[in-house]
Amino acid sequence: GAGVSQSPRYKVTKRGQDVALRCDPISGHVSLYWYRQALGQGPEFLTYFNYEAQQDKSGLPNDRFSAERPEGSISTLTIQRTEQRDSAMYRCASSLGVRDSSGNSPLHFGNGTRLTVT
Amino acid sequence: AQTVTQSQPEMSVQEAETVTLSCTYDTSESDYYLFWYKQPPSRQMILVIRQEAYKQQNATENRFSVNFQKAAKSFSLKISDSQLGDAAMYFCAYRSSGGSNYKLTFGKGTLLTVNP
Repeated sequence: GAGVSQSPRYKVTKRGQDVALRCDPISGHVSLYWYRQALGQGPEFLTYFNYEAQQDKSGLPNDRFSAERPEGSISTLTIQRTEQRDSAMYRCASSLGVRDSSGNSPLHFGNGTRLTVT
Repeated sequence: AQTVTQSQPEMSVQEAETVTLSCTYDTSESDYYLFWYKQPPSRQMILVIRQEAYKQQNATENRFSVNFQKAAKSFSLKISDSQLGDAAMYFCAYRSSGGSNYKLTFGKGTLLTVNP
């Protein structure tokens, strides 16, 4: 497809279960980002990959959250032992690189995965 | 750390009228980028307009323009000739040009309603 694809679109899980959220970036985009958007808030940075290397994971809330991008394309965000406070929209974005020839590299966002922990 | 503040949780405008959404930010950097994103009910996140801090000229994209006041750290979005399709949540965002230049910092958003 032409855009960033995220699956599932909606995920309802019970507290204590593990969940895996998938992001398929635009082909050729080397940079991939995960953001979390709580209800009524703006997106907050979670983590950033350059190719397969996780360059920054400072935004991950705690060690229950992890992300990988093993082949430099598809990425998975995993939340272990989910808690109700994890309920949010999880957005993935990709870009050609951090910077393009103009000094910017627009982010292309996916439509997100809405996670509800009951 | 940079912060972005959108002081208007909600705004409304009549179709064909003009509306201005406010955004202020806090940074110690001199070079950075500012953005306005639109989030309609479809859940997309659409880039509306971008401003480089080193450029004095305000960015314009069709009916959308910004008023960038660097000294005041203000970055407002003006929507002219508002259309029903402009109804959405609008987010202001900041991006450093330095070491964390891959990271966007967003405000909490302004929900814009367009009345017919």
